[in-house]
Amino acid sequence: NAGVTQTPKFQVLKTGQSMTLQCAQDMNHNSMYWYRQDPGMGLRLIYYSASEGTTDKGEVPNGYNVSRLNKREFSLRLESAAPSQTSVYFCASTGQGNGYTFGSGTRLTVV
Amino acid sequence: GQSLEQPSEVTAVEGAIVQINCTYQTSGFYGLSWYQQHDGGAPTFLSYNALDGLEETGRFSSFLSRSDSYGYLLLQELQMKDSASYFCAVRNNAGNMLTFGGGTRLMVKP
Repeated sequence: NAGVTQTPKFQVLKTGQSMTLQCAQDMNHNSMYWYRQDPGMGLRLIYYSASEGTTDKGEVPNGYNVSRLNKREFSLRLESAAPSQTSVYFCASTGQGNGYTFGSGTRLTVV
Repeated sequence: GQSLEQPSEVTAVEGAIVQINCTYQTSGFYGLSWYQQHDGGAPTFLSYNALDGLEETGRFSSFLSRSDSYGYLLLQELQMKDSASYFCAVRNNAGNMLTFGGGTRLMVKP
């Protein structure tokens, strides 16, 4: 099983550019999440999708949009990147159990 | 809102026991989780406590006291590979959303 797959692993953007971070899981999980992690800090929730067809804002949603394309895929879009969005982005999913499975992360730098 | 407090750094020697504490304030509470993250890696799930008491999984144990809004992760027989950051996280609604603490960096020395 691949688990949670994120692409790309690394990305450099110029201020104002847009991009979409992709996430897919093959565990038949209902819930999916996008977190960001800044150096030396914990993870902060950007958006989540409790089930296919629903999305909700988390703690830090400004500057981001999401799409739950189907049960497997949950993408995160930056419409106009800013240096403050330089971070490591993690996608995660969970099913009936109590633990999240995280992807390997996308390291994004906005210059 | 939610807030979680855990020490920023802990140092211990190989073979020892270390306890990482976590206190939380939250508007609702379903359970407390612990995650391990090695440098440059993704967080991995260690444990989940919904009820008071101690849960043991191999060398790792996790404890919860709901009345004290407090939990801890206990690591026994420390190994060098246990050097990592450890995050507590509160599940505060039925939707399985987690709010994470700032993390504790554990350094295991020979």
